[in-house]
Amino acid sequence: AQSVTQPDIHITVSEGASLELRCNYSYGATPYLFWYVQSPGQGLQLLLKYFSGDTLVQGIKGFEAEFKRSQSSFNLRKPSVHWSDAAEYFCAVGARAGTALIFGKGTTLSVSS
Amino acid sequence: EAGVAQSPRYKIIEKRQSVAFWCNPISGHATLYWYQQILGQGPKLLIQFQNNGVVDDSQLPKDRFSAERLKGVDSTLKIQPAKLEDSAVYLCASSLGGQTLQETQYFGPGTRLLVL
Repeated sequence: AQSVTQPDIHITVSEGASLELRCNYSYGATPYLFWYVQSPGQGLQLLLKYFSGDTLVQGIKGFEAEFKRSQSSFNLRKPSVHWSDAAEYFCAVGARAGTALIFGKGTTLSVSS
Repeated sequence: EAGVAQSPRYKIIEKRQSVAFWCNPISGHATLYWYQQILGQGPKLLIQFQNNGVVDDSQLPKDRFSAERLKGVDSTLKIQPAKLEDSAVYLCASSLGGQTLQETQYFGPGTRLLVL
């Protein structure tokens, strides 16, 4: 069965510092991988997605993620965090395009000044 | 382009009462999803529609939850009777439904339900 693990429940990063949020997935074949961000009281906004090809994918708001098949990981990175990046981040996996997503439990990002 | 619309945004009810949530997907999107997000958890699929047909409702508690998408556009999710553990945010998402690599789910703002 598919599953997603986000090992870090809460992370605090100083403004301007780099960020890496971890995501590990369990799936037999090459999965469809997503990162979404959720601000308080808001729905989920897609940051980036990976289906195939280049394992380093660029997303919106300066985020990127790298797919590593050998480690079953899809970690999200940003070189310099802004206070507006404080939110909850969800990693998700889908079996294929057009199927429902399985989400991790999320990582809450706090940004300190 | 208008996003996914949901109403109401908040709802407080007593246990054993009934409640209904409404979702209007992005125009032209054939696939519609309802997810339940309990506090501290990621969203979990309740039901997926393709046009007005059900694709997956394996995780829908059918003894109390029902959903419909009669004309293949907007959708209603109902809970009757509600239990305390139904307190959650109910998210609606839609996608084109073409099963292409560009397929992306777009989420609405959600309905926050509190059952007392």
